[in-house]
Amino acid sequence: AQSVTQLDSQVPVFEEAPVELRCNYSSSVSVYLFWYVQYPNQGLQLLLKYLSGSTLVKGINGFEAEFNKSHTSFHLRKPSVHISDTAEYFCAVRMYNFNKFYFGSGTKLNVKP
Amino acid sequence: NAGVTQTPKFQVLKTGQSMTLQCAQDMNHNSMYWYRQDPGMGLRLIYYSASEGTTDKGEVPNGYNVSRLNKREFSLRLESAAPSQTSVYFCASTGGNQETQYFGPGTRLLVL
Repeated sequence: AQSVTQLDSQVPVFEEAPVELRCNYSSSVSVYLFWYVQYPNQGLQLLLKYLSGSTLVKGINGFEAEFNKSHTSFHLRKPSVHISDTAEYFCAVRMYNFNKFYFGSGTKLNVKP
Repeated sequence: NAGVTQTPKFQVLKTGQSMTLQCAQDMNHNSMYWYRQDPGMGLRLIYYSASEGTTDKGEVPNGYNVSRLNKREFSLRLESAAPSQTSVYFCASTGGNQETQYFGPGTRLLVL
């Protein structure tokens, strides 16, 4: 069975500080990995995705994530956050050759001035 | 190009009432999905449709039915609403490469 764990439900951080949002997954087969962002009262938008190749993936708004196969992790990072990054972030996985996506429970990033 | 659209945006039901949530996409995507989002639980898959004419259950299908009316439209029906179905419902679709999901803006449902 597949599962996605986001250990931190909330992450408070000051503006211009770096941030890391953690994501671990379990799967018996190879997966595609995704990070989505949800702003208040909106749907989810894709931030970045790992399909294959380089394990460091860059996305929109200055975010990046690194796929670590041995640790089954896909942590999201940003070197300097802005107030506008305040949102909820979801990690998701999809197995090769399957149509289902599995989402983590989400991490609320609260950027303080 | 509107992407994924959902109607209604907000709905209040009484226990036992029925309703249908509508979803449409204009991206010519094969696969469509219905999720519910509850605080602290992320998104949970209710039903999905890999292609026109097929539907499959997800993690939490009880109390729901779906119809893939055509390639564009995928509706979710609550036959007899219960307070436990109070949630935000999202429709999503994926294209030929099945790599990325595109989400609608959501429907907020309150069942009293």
